[in-house]
Amino acid sequence: DTGVSQDPRHKITKRGQNVTFRCDPISEHNRLYWYRQTLGQGPEFLTYFQNEAQLEKSRLLSDRFSAERPKGSFSTLEIQRTEQGDSAMYLCASSSRQGGYEQYFGPGTRLTVT
Amino acid sequence: AQTVTQSQPEMSVQEAETVTLSCTYDTSENNYYLFWYKQPPSRQMILVIRQEAYKQQNATENRFSVNFQKAAKSFSLKISDSQLGDTAMYFCAFMKLNTDKLIFGTGTRLQVFP
Repeated sequence: DTGVSQDPRHKITKRGQNVTFRCDPISEHNRLYWYRQTLGQGPEFLTYFQNEAQLEKSRLLSDRFSAERPKGSFSTLEIQRTEQGDSAMYLCASSSRQGGYEQYFGPGTRLTVT
Repeated sequence: AQTVTQSQPEMSVQEAETVTLSCTYDTSENNYYLFWYKQPPSRQMILVIRQEAYKQQNATENRFSVNFQKAAKSFSLKISDSQLGDTAMYFCAFMKLNTDKLIFGTGTRLQVFP
């Protein structure tokens, strides 16, 4: 097992463009999470899925953000009409169980909006 | 709402010495989980240690141990026999029972010197 993977690792885009990130969780994990980490801060929760169902969304996730996990495997996070304030590291994590068990993190996608 | 505070932005320690990282949190919950995650430079975040609030016994994992003071809402991490590979950002995190959302502090950057 290669762990959680994310693609791309880096993305530079111009303000107003749409971007999409992909996360592939550990294969047997049914829970998948998205977090955002800005410079000097800890990760902030965005949303999570159990299988294909999106169970919780943070208020941080504005209407410009949408996440999907169509077949309960990989997930995509799309940001429409990007703004400079969207520049951050977007982290994906997965786990096999609820109840305070370990979340395994991917390497992240660093987004820079110019 | 729960908050996690790490009051030490940076710490340093000499190899083989012991260092303690501080974390306090605020919650009205009685049952929850606490975590320390490590984020090495340019590498993904990994779990260091986990504590269940209903357990009075402090968690230990090899050279890592915690001092969990529930009444004081304090959760410090002690690293014994520090190694160069311990150089990283360390994040304290809180999780409410029956949720999957991690709430992180702002992190402590630990530098281990030879």
